[in-house]
Amino acid sequence: AQRVTQPEKLLSVFKGAPVELKCNYSYSGSPELFWYVQYSRQRLQLLLRHISRESIKGFTADLNKGETSFHLKKPFAQEEDSAMYYCALFSGGYQKVTFGTGTKLQVIP
Amino acid sequence: DTGVSQNPRHKITKRGQNVTFRCDPISEHNRLYWYRQTLGQGPEFLTYFQNEAQLEKSRLLSDRFSAERPKGSFSTLEIQRTEQGDSAMYLCASSLVTATGELFFGEGSRLTVL
Repeated sequence: AQRVTQPEKLLSVFKGAPVELKCNYSYSGSPELFWYVQYSRQRLQLLLRHISRESIKGFTADLNKGETSFHLKKPFAQEEDSAMYYCALFSGGYQKVTFGTGTKLQVIP
Repeated sequence: DTGVSQNPRHKITKRGQNVTFRCDPISEHNRLYWYRQTLGQGPEFLTYFQNEAQLEKSRLLSDRFSAERPKGSFSTLEIQRTEQGDSAMYLCASSLVTATGELFFGEGSRLTVL
């Protein structure tokens, strides 16, 4: 079975500080990893996916298969980054997306 | 197209009553997912459809839960004989089968069972 672990429920950083939201996964096959974000009073939405290797709103995430991790990083946090962040894994075998429990990012002005 | 829509947005019911939620996905999306989310938890997979076929259902889903997508467009999720433990946000998401993992979510239907 697949599993996604986000060890931090809350991460507080000052504006301008670097951010790293941790995500680890377990899956026996070849995973596709995603980060989703939910801003206050908005619906859950896709932030980025590992296969595109792109930077969205300054965020990047690298899939490390050796460490089974997909941490989300941003060099300089902005107040508008405050939100809930969910790491997610798509498992081709089961054809479903499994979410972690989420990390609330709080950027302090 | 305004995206995935769900209704009702809020439902308060008494224990033992039946409730039904509706989801209208993005029109060209052939996959539709239902998730449940409780406080402090991430979305928990319930079931998904590809067109009108229900391809997987979570083992955690009791027999009181049933979902349909009769014409491959909108979907309904019915909970029979509701229990207080059913109180949660029920999320619907849709995607293209060619873009698996890229889910577009609705705003959710919040259920409160008294």
